[in-house]
Amino acid sequence: AQTVTQSQPEMSVQEAETVTLSCTYDTSENNYYLFWYKQPPSRQMILVIRQEAYKQQNATENRFSVNFQKAAKSFSLKISDSQLGDTAMYFCAFMNVRGGTSYGKLTFGQGTILTVHP
Amino acid sequence: DGGITQSPKYLFRKEGQNVTLSCEQNLNHDAMYWYRQDPGQGLRLIYYSQIVNDFQKGDIAEGYSVSREKKESFPLTVTSAQKNPTAFYLCASSPSGVIGNEQFFGPGTRLTVL
Repeated sequence: AQTVTQSQPEMSVQEAETVTLSCTYDTSENNYYLFWYKQPPSRQMILVIRQEAYKQQNATENRFSVNFQKAAKSFSLKISDSQLGDTAMYFCAFMNVRGGTSYGKLTFGQGTILTVHP
Repeated sequence: DGGITQSPKYLFRKEGQNVTLSCEQNLNHDAMYWYRQDPGQGLRLIYYSQIVNDFQKGDIAEGYSVSREKKESFPLTVTSAQKNPTAFYLCASSPSGVIGNEQFFGPGTRLTVL
């Protein structure tokens, strides 16, 4: 079974600065997807970024980028130029893409609460 | 507008009662999921369905039941057998057939057992 660990329950950052959220995972699979989801105070889950394990290039989406270290099973999220609207809980998630009963299922970490201060 | 709706937003239940949470999507997605979220914990998968008339247990299915009679609808029943049902429940959907698809989430239902 896969496990996802987010070791930082809470983080804070000043507006316009950069912050990195950590995520590690454990799996015996070779191909899989990793996701970062954002849950703002409205509690609506929103996809931030996605990474396929076979791709060596780190994914980027505007101010959001990841540092994917496959051998270390690490998948951190970097938020540049932080904005007040980035305040949210951030979840790291793992998806197995091999066939079988775990296909397409997401396994989530415990979440990191990020607060952006003005 | 395409999306996922969940109702009600808040639900109160007395101990010993069954209650059904609604989830509807008009995204034409084949796969649908139910998650439970507790404070300090991530989302945990209760049940999922990859096609109409078929569904599988997730990691914490005990005390819950589902049905998938229509592609658009995936209701979740929280039975009296669920020992600690107070939680935030999220429904999600995704298109099947494409590996690594994003799951789209509804706004959630907050269930409180009195």
